[in-house]
Amino acid sequence: GQSLEQPSEVTAVEGAIVQINCTYQTSGFYGLSWYQQHDGGAPTFLSYNALDGLEETGRFSSFLSRSDSYGYLLLQELQMKDSASYFCAVGGQGGKLIFGQGTELSVKP
Amino acid sequence: EAGVTQFPSHSVIEKGQTVTLRCDPISGHDNLYWYRRVMGKEIKFLLHFVKESKQDESGMPNNRFLAERTGGTYSTLKVQPAELEDSGVYFCASSSDRSNYGYTFGSGTRLTVV
Repeated sequence: GQSLEQPSEVTAVEGAIVQINCTYQTSGFYGLSWYQQHDGGAPTFLSYNALDGLEETGRFSSFLSRSDSYGYLLLQELQMKDSASYFCAVGGQGGKLIFGQGTELSVKP
Repeated sequence: EAGVTQFPSHSVIEKGQTVTLRCDPISGHDNLYWYRRVMGKEIKFLLHFVKESKQDESGMPNNRFLAERTGGTYSTLKVQPAELEDSGVYFCASSSDRSNYGYTFGSGTRLTVV
């Protein structure tokens, strides 16, 4: 079977750093992606890791360890607008995505 | 460039009725995907078009679901007859390059079957 595990909820304060972990068990693996979704909106692509290591894009970084079937999304200098759902997704054959259930991030003042 | 457009944004239908969802991808994007999120669960893959051809429809729940992509442009997803468990948010995504799994999603159609 295929499964991805990520925390259902995370709460942090403005200006802080938060890490959202994702572990996966899939039959095929073509990289790990992260998407952000604000209430009722379109999921928005944040990052993609095909190889082990850290990818940085502004305040957001994403990490992958293929040997551990593990990755995380790191959000720095949290802002209120970062409150959203964050999904990790494994890339499957043909380009399809296999999503986790999502982590709801609440940023408090 | 214009984004991925889906309509209707919301649809409420009775069990047994037919509903057709439409997706207009970004112009020039050959790859078009349909996904569905049932309340509180993960976003699940339904199918993948490359231009007008179905590349992978392994995620389609059953034969009550029919997807088409006319001339490789917009796509429709028809549910006939709708059942209660079909309720959820249906997302469409498109891409010109699927190598980095960074797709542009539409805002989805929220389907409620009562």
